[in-house]
Amino acid sequence: AQKITQTQPGMFVQEKEAVTLDCTYDTSDPSYGLFWYKQPSSGEMIFLIYQGSYDQQNATEGRYSLNFQKARKSANLVISASQLGDSAMYFCAMREGYGQNFVFGPGTRLSVLP
Amino acid sequence: EAGVAQSPRYKIIEKRQSVAFWCNPISGHATLYWYQQILGQGPKLLIQFQNNGVVDDSQLPKDRFSAERLKGVDSTLKIQPAKLEDSAVYLCASSLGPPAGSGYEQYFGPGTRLTVT
Repeated sequence: AQKITQTQPGMFVQEKEAVTLDCTYDTSDPSYGLFWYKQPSSGEMIFLIYQGSYDQQNATEGRYSLNFQKARKSANLVISASQLGDSAMYFCAMREGYGQNFVFGPGTRLSVLP
Repeated sequence: EAGVAQSPRYKIIEKRQSVAFWCNPISGHATLYWYQQILGQGPKLLIQFQNNGVVDDSQLPKDRFSAERLKGVDSTLKIQPAKLEDSAVYLCASSLGPPAGSGYEQYFGPGTRLTVT
């Protein structure tokens, strides 16, 4: 079974608008962490935001926020005020327990239109 | 602070040849990861070290892949012999903390793009 599902292979958004990238996960471990990474065409993976399974509040980092719905096992990334430089692949990832099963989803390609 | 260094950046070899990749993590980072990223897919974890011990190598094809992290710093990943399906980008990452369910984000190197012909 897929541990991380990202159902949107590609997304388009107009510059300055907000966009939500979906991520659902599957785990039976009560302790886990959820991460979002950005991969521009140059290839490097850039850490964006982290949410722990026990965190009470949704994580925010600048224009990035994570909409964490634990009961639904979803961890959607919200990018506010999109910029042209946000065009990239976005990966959701999960780490379970201690040192096991760090997995990435298949990614969503975001294109920001001028 | 210097980032994760990897070399070479690009490598082209023929099938059945061997190849090695090198990674130098961020200074002080205890945990080091090797990933394989096939074009159009997310990275797949191959092996995870904490200091110089292996934490998880369950997805490493051990008949042809090997990795070591001597002295708990630099690491090398080797493929011998290479197959066509090994064509991918090999990413090295490091993190400060233990590989627990915590907020120790991983910092990635630029990757090595391997083409097997």
